[in-house]
Amino acid sequence: QKEVEQNSGPLSVPEGAIASLNCTYSDRVSQSFFWYRQYSGKSPELIMSIYSNGDKEDGRFTAQLNKASQYVSLLIRDSQPSDSATYLCAVYTGFQKLVFGTGTRLLVSP
Amino acid sequence: DGGITQSPKYLFRKEGQNVTLSCEQNLNHDAMYWYRQDPGQGLRLIYYSQIVNDFQKGDIAEGYSVSREKKESFPLTVTSAQKNPTAFYLCASSISGWSGYTFGSGTRLTVV
Repeated sequence: QKEVEQNSGPLSVPEGAIASLNCTYSDRVSQSFFWYRQYSGKSPELIMSIYSNGDKEDGRFTAQLNKASQYVSLLIRDSQPSDSATYLCAVYTGFQKLVFGTGTRLLVSP
Repeated sequence: DGGITQSPKYLFRKEGQNVTLSCEQNLNHDAMYWYRQDPGQGLRLIYYSQIVNDFQKGDIAEGYSVSREKKESFPLTVTSAQKNPTAFYLCASSISGWSGYTFGSGTRLTVV
């Protein structure tokens, strides 16, 4: 069974701090990795994708991938209350399907 | 603008009735997916389709049925055989799973 593991949280950070969200996966042949943000009652929205080892930055977001250790992380700099949401990690391991983690709930307090 | 449209946004049905959820995309994506999400839970795959006239069962297909007669459309029927149909249903599409999914806005189904 291919698995993607996330800490369910909540992860609480003060406004302006760095939020660090982590995800581990079990399938070594995983090829591409995604972070989705889901606000309460809404559908998931893709915020970052990463395909190779290292860091990928987009505005306040940085995705980090380490295939040898089988983890992917998302850093959110200068966290804002509007970043409060559930963050889903997703991994592509083949057969046209993504495998999703159960998500980490992030709470950013003013 | 390209996107995925799910309708209706909210749906109420009596127990024992079949109900069909609509999903239409104009992104020219080959693959389409249906997920179910329960409160505080992750996404569970119901059915997916990689090409017109072909679809595969996901992890929780029992009590559901789908069709894929057109590339743009992938409707989901929740049958009376589904024991706990009340949930948030999400449709997604993808050029290929490798590139990630685009999700529709979801349909919240409540069975009373």
